[in-house]
Amino acid sequence: QVQLVQSGAEVKKPGASVKVSCTASGYTFTSYDINWVRQATGQGLEWMGWMNPNSANTGYAQKFQGRVTITMNTSISTAYIELSSLKSEDTAVYFCARRLIRGEKYFDLWGRGTLITVSS
Amino acid sequence: EIVLTQSPGTLSLSPGERATLSCRASQSVSSNYLAWYQQKPGQAPRLLIYGASSRATGIPDRFSGSGSGTDFTLTISRLEPEDFAVYHCHQYGSSHTFGQGTKLEIK
Repeated sequence: QVQLVQSGAEVKKPGASVKVSCTASGYTFTSYDINWVRQATGQGLEWMGWMNPNSANTGYAQKFQGRVTITMNTSISTAYIELSSLKSEDTAVYFCARRLIRGEKYFDLWGRGTLITVSS
Repeated sequence: EIVLTQSPGTLSLSPGERATLSCRASQSVSSNYLAWYQQKPGQAPRLLIYGASSRATGIPDRFSGSGSGTDFTLTISRLEPEDFAVYHCHQYGSSHTFGQGTKLEIK
């Protein structure tokens, strides 16, 4: 089954860091970039960044530069996003989504999301 | 950054009716790289349309996309009960930005 399975919900304190995983199955992991998108409650979607599993190249939205790191372990088809210096405004559902490397850059498969709550 | 504005914010219609959702960009979207997604509560977004007008695999033909440049439209020709959800537009021609979403609710 073609899917992206994400790690479970977490509660973090302000100033802490969080790392969310996204494990792919059912397709060739190296044929797709992994992107990360978040959604605060009642809000729209917000793109955070991407990583190419072949080159390890990354790109981040300017808003998150210096605070976000995307990594991968291709041997287990898993991508990670780490967000540091958490603030209450980072409370959101974090989605991973794949994008065909050789093709248009839309997201054709999404994970079910991971709720990150930042609260003291 | 390209800002996408979706309208209306909420659309109230009945099953069987036609739905027309709008997505307007603050500047021209390169190569009409505009996608539409459907999202139901507690679920991940599902790709409906890419390249402004191409239906994704498995998407019923009652869903259609149109437009170019700065003005794009998603049309659902005859609403089915399962179509009531939130719809997001996404431009991927210049980095990535999303609209704020249109909620399609049952009247």
